[in-house]
Amino acid sequence: SQQGEEDPQALSIQEGENATMNCSYKTSINNLQWYRQNSGRGLVHLILIRSNEREKHSGRLRVTLDTSKKSSSLLITASRAADTASYFCATDASGGSYIPTFGRGTSLIVHP
Amino acid sequence: DTGVSQDPRHKITKRGQNVTFRCDPISEHNRLYWYRQTLGQGPEFLTYFQNEAQLEKSRLLSDRFSAERPKGSFSTLEIQRTEQGDSAMYLCASSSRGGSGYTFGSGTRLTVV
Repeated sequence: SQQGEEDPQALSIQEGENATMNCSYKTSINNLQWYRQNSGRGLVHLILIRSNEREKHSGRLRVTLDTSKKSSSLLITASRAADTASYFCATDASGGSYIPTFGRGTSLIVHP
Repeated sequence: DTGVSQDPRHKITKRGQNVTFRCDPISEHNRLYWYRQTLGQGPEFLTYFQNEAQLEKSRLLSDRFSAERPKGSFSTLEIQRTEQGDSAMYLCASSSRGGSGYTFGSGTRLTVV
């Protein structure tokens, strides 16, 4: 079953604009991760945020976590055509065996 | 060690045939995961090993599926009597400990014709 759900399902923007994707989940978590997947390829780990953290940055990426709302957002600033990919959130449920559970993803297209 | 390796990258098989995929995790990672991903969906958990022990299996893992990790290093996933519904990308991931982030391989794309 899908734990996380990303929103929107698809996002189309121009190069240089910011892209924001949201993830909602259902159960308490230990951490939440964001991954990128280029077409037909494996997933690349972008960033992990723990349940006691509220915000993390990595380069042009900014992730926020609101455990009271069971939601997270991924912001990509100054997007580039190379950012075109699908983005997935995954959660490790608290008290569980650390098995990441993925949402359906957001498909991002950045037009040059 | 350059990451998680999966072999083959692509496999086309006839319905009813058996197929086996291999995953070589990052050498110091003791946790290994198999996922299945169909078009437009996120990865779905199949099974998980800690060292050589298979600790959890999804209900998606029917009797036709079996996974092994005999020496706690590489793992194999076998699908017997393949069906068209088995067509998907099979992804392997590894991690050194729970909650530390996961490294994925490039996947094996299976097409059953």
